Amino acid sequence: AQKVTQAQTEISVVEKEDVTLDCVYETRDTTYYLFWYKQPPSGELVFLIRRNSFDEQNEISGRYSWNFQKSTSSFNFTITASQVVDSAVYFCALSERNFGNEKLTFGTGTRLTIIP
Amino acid sequence: DAGVIQSPRHEVTEMGQEVTLRCKPISGHDYLFWYRQTMMRGLELLIYFNNNVPIDDSGMPEDRFSAKMPNASFSTLKIQPSEPRDSAVYFCASSPMDSTLGGNTIYFGEGSWLTVV
Repeated sequence: AQKVTQAQTEISVVEKEDVTLDCVYETRDTTYYLFWYKQPPSGELVFLIRRNSFDEQNEISGRYSWNFQKSTSSFNFTITASQVVDSAVYFCALSERNFGNEKLTFGTGTRLTIIP
Repeated sequence: DAGVIQSPRHEVTEMGQEVTLRCKPISGHDYLFWYRQTMMRGLELLIYFNNNVPIDDSGMPEDRFSAKMPNASFSTLKIQPSEPRDSAVYFCASSPMDSTLGGNTIYFGEGSWLTVV
């Protein structure tokens, strides 16, 4: 069974600081996909990134970067120079590639508060 | 492009009443998902469809819950009779079948906030 663990329940940082959100996953599949979603105070779930298990290259998108390490089963998310608009709950999720079984399993989320 | 559209955005109903949540997926998407979010259980998958056919409903809590997808552009999640413990945010989501890269990116609607009193 697949599992996603986000050990950090809540994080608060002062604006402009860097912050890393941790995500550890468990799966028996060799082919799988990892995701990050953002849930701002308004409540919607916003897709941020998808990564497949064969691509361990780190990715950077503006102030966001992701570090995928299969050796430690981790897919961490870093926000550089944080801003108040980054305040949200962030979810890491895992999808095993299994035809006919396209489920997304979410972690419990990390609530990030950026203090002005 | 329009995203996943859900209605109603907010609903308050009395225990015992029937509740119907509606969803219009992104056009061209093959998969449709219903998720529920609560403080206690987080985000959990209730059911998902592929090409309008229910594939896995093992997450549906009990017989009071039912979901249908009569066509590619519409789905409903019905709770009858509703109970206070059904209070949650219900998300509909859809995704394409990415046959080249494998896997899929799931796009969520804004959620339907249900309160059963």
